[in-house]
Amino acid sequence: DGGITQSPKYLFRKEGQNVTLSCEQNLNHDAMYWYRQDPGQGLRLIYYSQIVNDFQKGDIAEGYSVSREKKESFPLTVTSAQKNPTAFYLCASTSDHSGQPQHFGDGTRLSIL
Amino acid sequence: AQSVSQHNHHVILSEAASLELGCNYSYGGTVNLFWYVQYPGQHLQLLLKYFSGDPLVKGIKGFEAEFIKSKFSFNLRKPSVQWSDTAEYFCAVNAWDDKIIFGKGTRLHILP
Repeated sequence: DGGITQSPKYLFRKEGQNVTLSCEQNLNHDAMYWYRQDPGQGLRLIYYSQIVNDFQKGDIAEGYSVSREKKESFPLTVTSAQKNPTAFYLCASTSDHSGQPQHFGDGTRLSIL
Repeated sequence: AQSVSQHNHHVILSEAASLELGCNYSYGGTVNLFWYVQYPGQHLQLLLKYFSGDPLVKGIKGFEAEFIKSKFSFNLRKPSVQWSDTAEYFCAVNAWDDKIIFGKGTRLHILP
């Protein structure tokens, strides 16, 4: 079955460390997105990519970085510059350039030790 | 800039009660409107969407939403809720070809 795979499901990071969250899709979708979900905050866009080798900052890109070397992969790195990284991270994709995510992954919960 | 406002952060209802979750947006142009739902432990998924045409949109599981342009609203309704409707609901809006903006979510709890 086609879908989005995020790994790991739970991730722990020590302060000062960078950590990379994986997002892989086999839907052949062009556009991929990273959202951060905090209680009472809804979903906020971190980065998005509409095509391979291209990506744009979302609303809260500071302290994060991404790459899009392959169509099916859109990893997110949470750097030590991100002051409050504890959150639930969702990856999404869509087949067009409408900006509307159609499929979501199961998410990765990141916690700081 | 676009924004989305969901009026209620937490709603508690008994089974068979009627549901209406409020959603207002701010944007001057033509928009697309969505409701997403996240059941406990599951993916976020699309419940319904409005692009154009009939302002009353029917979605899955008996949900519907009405787009009222003059009020910049897209409220979600269900005549009779079930325990299985317990979830978090997100309203979202985007202008075509622009990124989608989500509301802060409404956590719905249905008492059996």
